Amino acid sequence: RKEVEQDPGPFNVPEGATVAFNCTYSNSASQSFFWYRQDCRKEPKLLMSVYSSGNEDGRFTAQLNRASQYISLLIRDSKLSDSATYLCVVNTYSSASKIIFGSGTRLSIRP
Amino acid sequence: DVKVTQSSRYLVKRTGEKVFLECVQDMDHENMFWYRQDPGLGLRLIYFSYDVKMKEKGDIPEGYSVSREKKERFSLILESASTNQTSMYLCASSPTDRDSGNTIYFGEGSWLTVV
Repeated sequence: RKEVEQDPGPFNVPEGATVAFNCTYSNSASQSFFWYRQDCRKEPKLLMSVYSSGNEDGRFTAQLNRASQYISLLIRDSKLSDSATYLCVVNTYSSASKIIFGSGTRLSIRP
Repeated sequence: DVKVTQSSRYLVKRTGEKVFLECVQDMDHENMFWYRQDPGLGLRLIYFSYDVKMKEKGDIPEGYSVSREKKERFSLILESASTNQTSMYLCASSPTDRDSGNTIYFGEGSWLTVV
């Protein structure tokens, strides 16, 4: 079983729709969580950190469920510019920094 | 803003050549990483370093070595390039400070083609 798993998609949704992704992780000792966005042929960039209480940044909402070991990303009122691959990232803070990336979920927004 | 700079963006090398990929970060981060990214395989960790002259193997270190002589610079070396090392290589850095959440910052990537 992979340490971090994501549905690869692609998710193909109309502009204005709400879309949600989940990401599950296997190590219960994981301590910090992030969502990154990666555009085609570009480097991943931090979208948002995920806090225990959940957090929101504009149209984006991130949630953490430690009991079920998953994090989620919700995008409301999706825009064409939201088309990208979204990577889930988990850090266990083991003896050396161990940061695990999911393989990403592809999102395509259609007009 | 954190800046991670990969000096070589696009390279074409011949099989058997020695290849150096250089990476510099300007935020005094302790941790630096080299990943490769291939379609359908996601990001795979090659090596990382948590301090000057310290290095640890990642998931796919075979065929690669690294050098970290200064805190800001982390080099990836392909001793004898092979065609299966054609890929996009991403350098990254992160602080150790837990308060910052160990956020990882990436360079723009180096596209290597081995012919």
